[in-house]
Amino acid sequence: GENVEQHPSTLSVQEGDSAVIKCTYSDSASNYFPWYKQELGKGPQLIIDIRSNVGEKKDQRIAVTLNKTAKHFSLHITETQPEDSAVYFCAASNNQGGKLIFGQGTELSVKP
Amino acid sequence: GAVVSQHPSRVICKSGTSVKIECRSLDFQATTMFWYRQFPKQSLMLMATSNEGSKATYEQGVEKDKFLINHASLTLSTLTVTSAHPEDSSFYICSARGRGLHLTDTQYFGPGTRLTVL
Repeated sequence: GENVEQHPSTLSVQEGDSAVIKCTYSDSASNYFPWYKQELGKGPQLIIDIRSNVGEKKDQRIAVTLNKTAKHFSLHITETQPEDSAVYFCAASNNQGGKLIFGQGTELSVKP
Repeated sequence: GAVVSQHPSRVICKSGTSVKIECRSLDFQATTMFWYRQFPKQSLMLMATSNEGSKATYEQGVEKDKFLINHASLTLSTLTVTSAHPEDSSFYICSARGRGLHLTDTQYFGPGTRLTVL
């Protein structure tokens, strides 16, 4: 079955710097890759997603890139702010039944 | 748009009792709902998938008689933890996807329910 590996597990950056989180997946049939932000005690919030027919997608300070050949995708946050501090999860799905397989999560800390 | 609610947000119960958690899609019809469990500092673990009007599909290792799921309408799914024990204490989160959304494969998550079994 699908397996998603996420790195790093923790990431600390200075406010204004960029943050990059990387994920790899094992199932070549996966075609949908969302990223979620989870604040303490809350449910995950979708921040951006990408489908396999595109290589990059951007939404203001957030961008996601996808390399289907290498089976990895990355989240890029520019001009980080303290409110970006949270746990970020990547996920992958092949749309069969809609199941999402999640990475292990990255705890991002943005220091003012 | 795409709002999912859960009730209650937290519940404390005695060992041996049953607890019901509701998950509602507020502004779209949820053809599929998912239930996850999350332990502290860990990722989300899928427990089961439920499609409206049909029986839930449980992941390997999840006891269907202990975690009863009912997806009776296009806006409501319930998870009942029967005969709860302290090891069932966890953060339970639902998600939904379905009609009325721009893209039907996107999952939107509820705020979660913190269950503590004494």
